[in-house]
Amino acid sequence: DTAVSQTPKYLVTQMGNDKSIKCEQNLGHDTMYWYKQDSKKFLKIMFSYNNKELIINETVPNRFSPKSPDKAHLNLHINSLELGDSAVYFCASSQGGGSSYNSPLHFGNGTRLTVT
Amino acid sequence: DQQVKQNSPSLSVQEGRISILNCDYTNSMFDYFLWYKKYPAEGPTFLISISSIKDKNEDGRFTVFLNKSAKHLSLHIVPSQPGDSAVYFCSPRVGGSARQLTFGSGTQLTVLP
Repeated sequence: DTAVSQTPKYLVTQMGNDKSIKCEQNLGHDTMYWYKQDSKKFLKIMFSYNNKELIINETVPNRFSPKSPDKAHLNLHINSLELGDSAVYFCASSQGGGSSYNSPLHFGNGTRLTVT
Repeated sequence: DQQVKQNSPSLSVQEGRISILNCDYTNSMFDYFLWYKKYPAEGPTFLISISSIKDKNEDGRFTVFLNKSAKHLSLHIVPSQPGDSAVYFCSPRVGGSARQLTFGSGTQLTVLP
């Protein structure tokens, strides 16, 4: 009965490859997010989708492309992977994408991406 | 441009004593504040929150205090238990804004038995 699940948990790949991380939530939330946790442990928001519509697109290289086929899924595709992309990526969801941004985020358990 | 700072990367306390975790922010537009707890190899989980119209919110062993004039909030855990050992993140927000979903760098709390 996992609420927010993301796969894979670990991803090791070489520079230049293209990879995807999948995320699904069964909470019925209408907003989903991707966060990156870097080596200094900061959690930085990358993207947010509300009802399949992109509402946040922070300063992220365009090699990163989110895709939301429906409200319950938000996948992250990364092209031409670089060493600096190594990090832990967290998917999250919440209810309320309009003016109600006070609902807490529910996170997945993260995907540790290592680029060699 | 770090709008949220948790200046103590780590904190150790004895079981049964009080744990106090601090968070400072610079953006006066923040009006809602959340604390999350994170265990290794898991995602953060929501712990407690406070609105800027309050200066204190309590939930069992956890109390969050907000000092708006000092732009400072703190999380008190009393009594601390070994299971509280985790990384704690503060996350201020600007209500109604999708953009201000920031997190501090976290404080590793270790509760010693």
